[in-house]
Amino acid sequence: KQEVTQIPAALSVPEGENLVLNCSFTDSAIYNLQWFRQDPGKGLTSLLLIQSSQREQTSGRLNASLDKSSGRSTLYIAASQPGDSATYLCAVRTGTASKLTFGTGTRLQVTL
Amino acid sequence: GAVVSQHPSWVICKSGTSVKIECRSLDFQATTMFWYRQFPKQSLMLMATSNEGSKATYEQGVEKDKFLINHASLTLSTLTVTSAHPEDSSFYICSARDVVNGGWYTEAFFGQGTRLTVV
Repeated sequence: KQEVTQIPAALSVPEGENLVLNCSFTDSAIYNLQWFRQDPGKGLTSLLLIQSSQREQTSGRLNASLDKSSGRSTLYIAASQPGDSATYLCAVRTGTASKLTFGTGTRLQVTL
Repeated sequence: GAVVSQHPSWVICKSGTSVKIECRSLDFQATTMFWYRQFPKQSLMLMATSNEGSKATYEQGVEKDKFLINHASLTLSTLTVTSAHPEDSSFYICSARDVVNGGWYTEAFFGQGTRLTVV
């Protein structure tokens, strides 16, 4: 059974700082990994999708890497802004049913 | 990206009544949609996979008679919480993928979520 863990559970940084969020998964036989952002009481916004054959994906200030063999992914946020404050979730797609298994999330707060 | 719309955003109902939540793919056809449940400060747990024109597939521990899923068209799936009780209060979110244009392993898009409160 796939298990996904995110560290840290919560993070508070001053504006402008670069930061890294971590995601680890137990079963390396994944099809892809997706990073999401969730604002309080809202749905999920897709940030980046990395296929199993890829090593990284970039979108603006965001960069996600994937090391499938070691079961790890990182989300790098450059020059953080208060608007980046949210919960960040990673999810991996495994199995023939193509289900998403979600991590526990990292709650990020960027302060002025 | 593709748009998934969920309605209503929030609902309050009396214990014992039923509540229907709609999930629509606005600009693509979704043969498969997914329903998740999220408790406060916890991650998303998959409840069931909704398949257009056939029965939904439920995850272990999810009562299919309590959480009725109907996927009658390629753009609409509904989740009905029957005989709701306070313990059913939660945040329900649906998801869909544009398999036709993006393939089976394309990214998943999520609705805005529905906050259900049973009193």
